[in-house]
Amino acid sequence: GAGVSQSPRYKVAKRGQDVALRCDPISGHVSLFWYQQALGQGPEFLTYFQNEAQLDKSGLPSDRFFAERPEGSVSTLKIQRTQQEDSAVYLCASSPGGGRTSGLYGYTFGSGTRLTVV
Amino acid sequence: EDKVVQSPLSLVVHEGDTVTLNCSYEVTNFRSLLWYKQEKKAPTFLFMLTSSGIEKKSGRLSSILDKKELFSILNITATQTGDSAIYLCAVTGNQFYFGTGTSLTVIP
Repeated sequence: GAGVSQSPRYKVAKRGQDVALRCDPISGHVSLFWYQQALGQGPEFLTYFQNEAQLDKSGLPSDRFFAERPEGSVSTLKIQRTQQEDSAVYLCASSPGGGRTSGLYGYTFGSGTRLTVV
Repeated sequence: EDKVVQSPLSLVVHEGDTVTLNCSYEVTNFRSLLWYKQEKKAPTFLFMLTSSGIEKKSGRLSSILDKKELFSILNITATQTGDSAIYLCAVTGNQFYFGTGTSLTVIP
């Protein structure tokens, strides 16, 4: 597709429920990033993939958060046993370049998934 | 601790005003500073700055970096209501850090 696509756009989950958020990066983009953006805050780094390899997951807030990109394209961010503090917008971004901070000129964000845990 | 600090947190101006947004940083192994405009959800890229003193300009927007004093400014002249958004500053070093953003509201 022409841009980074995320689904669903909105998700309401009951506390304790598991959720899965999907990111379709731009075709051919090597790098994929997940960010969590709480209301009124800037995006906070969660994890980074270069192709199918998860090179950095230092930003994942707990072991309830899990991300994968098995074929080096689509990525899924899974949150188990959701809690209210997980409520945020989850942004995905992709970049044609590899490397942790390279390709930022072509760093394209998706529109995000707004997760509300009730 | 690496950090990016933006000021002011929010700003309300009238159409036609000029605004200056600030971004200061303390980031290990600085590589670049980027400005994004965020409307609704997806940040859109504005500028990338790597060298001190070289102004980047795009229409009514301009930005400059001071690597000695560790800050950048984003100027918007002759503001329009369509400039209303959150402006995010991000710095790349060992990692990629965002500031909390400046919320700009331009009223007619």
